[in-house]
Amino acid sequence: KQEVTQIPAALSVPEGENLVLNCSFTDSAIYNLQWFRQDPGKGLTSLLLIQSSQREQTSGRLNASLDKSSGRSTLYIAASQPGDSATYLCAALDRGSTLGRLYFGRGTQLTVWP
Amino acid sequence: DTAVSQTPKYLVTQMGNDKSIKCEQNLGHDTMYWYKQDSKKFLKIMFSYNNKELIINETVPNRFSPKSPDKAHLNLHINSLELGDSAVYFCASSQDRAWQYFGPGTRLTVT
Repeated sequence: KQEVTQIPAALSVPEGENLVLNCSFTDSAIYNLQWFRQDPGKGLTSLLLIQSSQREQTSGRLNASLDKSSGRSTLYIAASQPGDSATYLCAALDRGSTLGRLYFGRGTQLTVWP
Repeated sequence: DTAVSQTPKYLVTQMGNDKSIKCEQNLGHDTMYWYKQDSKKFLKIMFSYNNKELIINETVPNRFSPKSPDKAHLNLHINSLELGDSAVYFCASSQDRAWQYFGPGTRLTVT
C-alpha cells in the first residue's frame, strides 16, 4: 500500500526566502503526483500535477520535481510571500490503483512572515 | 461559477441522527469522490463513483452510503451519527485520472 510522507511538518520563514517542501512515497509505480494548497477552513486548491513520465512542472513561482526512482517529489517556492502561508499537501495516484485513488501526505504547514 | 460545490458548509447534529451532504460539479467530469479529513488534518478517500458506478469503497462503516443520481451529483448519507464521525468531508471530481478538483468541504460536528 502506498504511503506518502511530507517533511517538514511545519516551516516558518521570512518573506523573500526560497524554500523547498519535500514529499516521499513508498511505491514508485505512480500514475501522477499532485500538489495542493489548503488554506485554514477552506478546501484544496490544485497547484501542480506531474505525470509519471515528467521530471518537473512549473507554475509562476512554483516548481515541482519528480524522481520516481528515489520516490521523491519536491515543491520549490521562489521569493516566498505572506500570501503563500497555507498547508501544502502532496498526493500520489498509483498506476495500479483503482481509478482515482489518491494517497495523501499529512502536509507541510507553511508560515511566511513579513 | 463554482466548479465543485457542497451543501451544507457546516453541519452540527446530535449522536444518533441521520444526515446528508450534497455535492455537485459543473465541470463535466465523469468521476466523483468523497474524502474525509480527520482532526489531525489527514485526508483519506472514502468513495469514488465513475459514471454513476461505485468504483472505490474504502473500509468505511456501512452507516455511510453514497448515492450518485447522475454524473454531476454525488451525495453522502450518514445514518446513526457517532462522535467519531466529526470531521471535514470533501467532495472532489476529475476526468479519469487527471486533476482532482475539490469542493470547499462540509464541517460535520456530532455532539
